[in-house]
Amino acid sequence: KAGVTQTPRYLIKTRGQQVTLSCSPISGHRSVSWYQQTPGQGLQFLFEYFSETQRNKGNFPGRFSGRQFSNSRSEMNVSTLELGDSALYLCASSFLAGGADTQYFGPGTRLTVL
Amino acid sequence: DQQVKQNSPSLSVQEGRISILNCDYTNSMFDYFLWYKKYPAEGPTFLISISSIKDKNEDGRFTVFLNKSAKHLSLHIVPSQPGDSAVYFCAASDRGGATNKLIFGTGTLLAVQP
Repeated sequence: KAGVTQTPRYLIKTRGQQVTLSCSPISGHRSVSWYQQTPGQGLQFLFEYFSETQRNKGNFPGRFSGRQFSNSRSEMNVSTLELGDSALYLCASSFLAGGADTQYFGPGTRLTVL
Repeated sequence: DQQVKQNSPSLSVQEGRISILNCDYTNSMFDYFLWYKKYPAEGPTFLISISSIKDKNEDGRFTVFLNKSAKHLSLHIVPSQPGDSAVYFCAASDRGGATNKLIFGTGTLLAVQP
């Protein structure tokens, strides 16, 4: 079974631009969560989706948004990019919601903001 | 407020010996704990988990111990192999909160010397 896939793997943007990252969960998984990893803050939870509904949101500004499609694929969007948004963005999927199942991570998208 | 703490940024052990990685948490609502292994530029790989109703879980060379009264868990790797060299993250979740949100520690870099 294929794992979680994320596209693109690397991205370079400039301040003020916006970016969209994509995540395809493991086949059959309906829950997708997003995390940001930076050297200073570690791995931080962004948001969680299940059946196209956002179930939980981390402590990030409104510039960070996401959505999930009917096929469980998810996208996250960051508008008006800032230098501090440079990070590894990780997507994780699980079959169940509500913390009842192990989450499996994709390889991540490395975003660099210049 | 760091709810999950890994106080050792790094650990070095000899091949064949035991590696012990430690993790402390402060939130008594956490009831499910996981360990992930991460290589640079890759997503975290799930290793092993433990529910708060247990105090030990084994999977091959990996054993996780949970001491709820001390709010402490540890991962034992026996015997350690050079391929185990990576950053190890512990993570916690509140399943009663009906969320997949994971709170991660800051990670411990394990180096297994041949």
